[in-house]
Amino acid sequence: EAQVTQNPRYLITVTGKKLTVTCSQNMNHEYMSWYRQDPGLGLRQIYYSMNVEVTDKGDVPEGYKVSRKEKRNFPLILESPSPNQTSLYFCASSLREYGTDTQYFGPGTRLTVL
Amino acid sequence: SQQGEEDPQALSIQENENATMNCSYKTSINNLQWYRQNSGRGLVHLILIRSNEREKHSGRLRVTLDTSKKSSSLLITASRAADTASYFCATSAGYSTLTFGKGTMLLVSP
Repeated sequence: EAQVTQNPRYLITVTGKKLTVTCSQNMNHEYMSWYRQDPGLGLRQIYYSMNVEVTDKGDVPEGYKVSRKEKRNFPLILESPSPNQTSLYFCASSLREYGTDTQYFGPGTRLTVL
Repeated sequence: SQQGEEDPQALSIQENENATMNCSYKTSINNLQWYRQNSGRGLVHLILIRSNEREKHSGRLRVTLDTSKKSSSLLITASRAADTASYFCATSAGYSTLTFGKGTMLLVSP
């Protein structure tokens, strides 16, 4: 089944403790993104990647890192999480450029930073 | 940067009624997409309309695009309780990013 998977689905952590949220897609998509969703703010793009080893900042990249060493994986790294990074995070992928193609979303990761 | 803005923020209707949601944006776009999100879940793509298209249909969905007014509308005909969800428009000006609006929450009551 074609899908985007994220792990973990739920995470409660404490300020400053490094964490990684994994994202994997099995559709051989070149384009992958991370979004965060907050009440009243909608979805905001954190980082995106157009291919292996090619990443770029979205609208809200501060406090996050990403890497794209393999086509299928696009992990999101929080080196030193803070409470303002408490949010619902989504990974997405698409075959072609974002504006020309459907984005497939993962199920989401609900992160709470205490 | 937030590009699309949906209107209304929330909409409550009865089953079998039609639901119309609007999206306005500020700059020229290549394409506009509509997505649906059930509570707390991932977004699901509904329809993509290109800047040179004016109307597109998919099942009970009808999307229009007016580039002169920088607006789009999503019409769901004969709504069902299962259509209860949040609906987002997303715009692309270039080809590297997709910008989402804040969404319209639709409640369809039996």
